[in-house]
Amino acid sequence: GAVVSQHPSRVICKSGTSVKIECRSLDFQATTMFWYRQFPKQSLMLMATSNEGSKATYEQGVEKDKFLINHASLTLSTLTVTSAHPEDSSFYICSVRTPDYNEQFFGPGTRLTVL
Amino acid sequence: EDQVTQSPEALRLQEGESSSLNCSYTVSGLRGLFWYRQDPGKGPEFLFTLYSAGEEKEKERLKATLTKKESFLHITAPKPEDSATYLCAVLDSNYQLIWGAGTKLIIKP
Repeated sequence: GAVVSQHPSRVICKSGTSVKIECRSLDFQATTMFWYRQFPKQSLMLMATSNEGSKATYEQGVEKDKFLINHASLTLSTLTVTSAHPEDSSFYICSVRTPDYNEQFFGPGTRLTVL
Repeated sequence: EDQVTQSPEALRLQEGESSSLNCSYTVSGLRGLFWYRQDPGKGPEFLFTLYSAGEEKEKERLKATLTKKESFLHITAPKPEDSATYLCAVLDSNYQLIWGAGTKLIIKP
């Protein structure tokens, strides 16, 4: 069964609007969740590490004011793309790692298209 | 600098034709090596974690092996449904996951 869920699976929005993507850990409590983006035919790029109860850690080059992350509980993290522009169109995937680091599971992804 | 390199970039096989995908790595303090399968438009699906040289794991037609410098994903008698991009990632001493670019596998019926 699914370990990680994401919602929505697809979203189309107008330029300038904000979009929220939810990520839920279904099988275990995740103190840490990860957000990735993936462009066509490219590998995953880590955007940020989401920590429950504290601020997210962003990778170099990722604008924290544009990509707002809230890890509200041990099973829910949200990514909000603020004032989205066409260049933000991408495939966004969240991930959770088991506490023993043995496995890392990914959500089904969210396809964002900004018109 | 930590690095993960996958080869080949793409591999076309006939159904039933066994082969191997390679993942070579240079990393300080390997904590684990992960293999994933990714279908178009979907998130990666976890396959295996390997921890030490000599370790092997199997799942259906897939078998992953690990040495001190590389990992192989062997696929035996593949079927068209095995077509996907296979991703390799290494967990380094800082618990950072470093990704390879993937191998796109196409199995022709």
